[in-house]
Amino acid sequence: GQNIDQPTEMTATEGAIVQINCTYQTSGFNGLFWYQQHAGEAPTFLSYNVLDGLEEKGRFSSFLSRSKGYSYLLLKELQMKDSASYLCAVMDSNYQLIWGAGTKLIIKP
Amino acid sequence: NAGVTQTPKFQVLKTGQSMTLQCAQDMNHEYMSWYRQDPGMGLRLIHYSVGAGITDQGEVPNGYNVSRSTTEDFPLRLLSAAPSQTSVYFCASSLMDGNSGANVLTFGAGSRLTVL
Repeated sequence: GQNIDQPTEMTATEGAIVQINCTYQTSGFNGLFWYQQHAGEAPTFLSYNVLDGLEEKGRFSSFLSRSKGYSYLLLKELQMKDSASYLCAVMDSNYQLIWGAGTKLIIKP
Repeated sequence: NAGVTQTPKFQVLKTGQSMTLQCAQDMNHEYMSWYRQDPGMGLRLIHYSVGAGITDQGEVPNGYNVSRSTTEDFPLRLLSAAPSQTSVYFCASSLMDGNSGANVLTFGAGSRLTVL
């Protein structure tokens, strides 16, 4: 079957760096997405990786290793507003998205 | 440019009642979809559409119907509500790039449904 694994919850300190991991097993691969979802709100797009390597976008970076079925989202200079759930999703060979359950990130002052 | 608009934001139903969740987008997106989000689980696809007049089932279609008569609108109908359908429902849309998987979804604000 198809599976996306990510930690349920993580805690980090304001100003620090945190890495949220995502491992996947899917039928084919057409890209990996990260979305951010604040409590009670809709998911919003953060990043897309289809080739191996690191994509940097301001304080957020996303890394992909297709051979290992692994990605991470790196958040630097954490701010209180980064408290949210982070959703990993993989597009399979049929261009359908498979979603992880999300990682709830708690930022402490 | 409103993006994706969902109504209602909250709804309480009794078992057996029917209702329609409305979804409209003004971005001329070909692809539209409905997801449900439950605690501890990933988003699950209910139904989707790749254009007006075309709909297909997702992972959890039972108990739900959809139609796509226009590019803009994609309503989700609950035929006979059950407590298991208590959830948060999201409508999402995207352009469709057949040459890549980089089809970024834009989500509506969500509809929280409780079935008693």
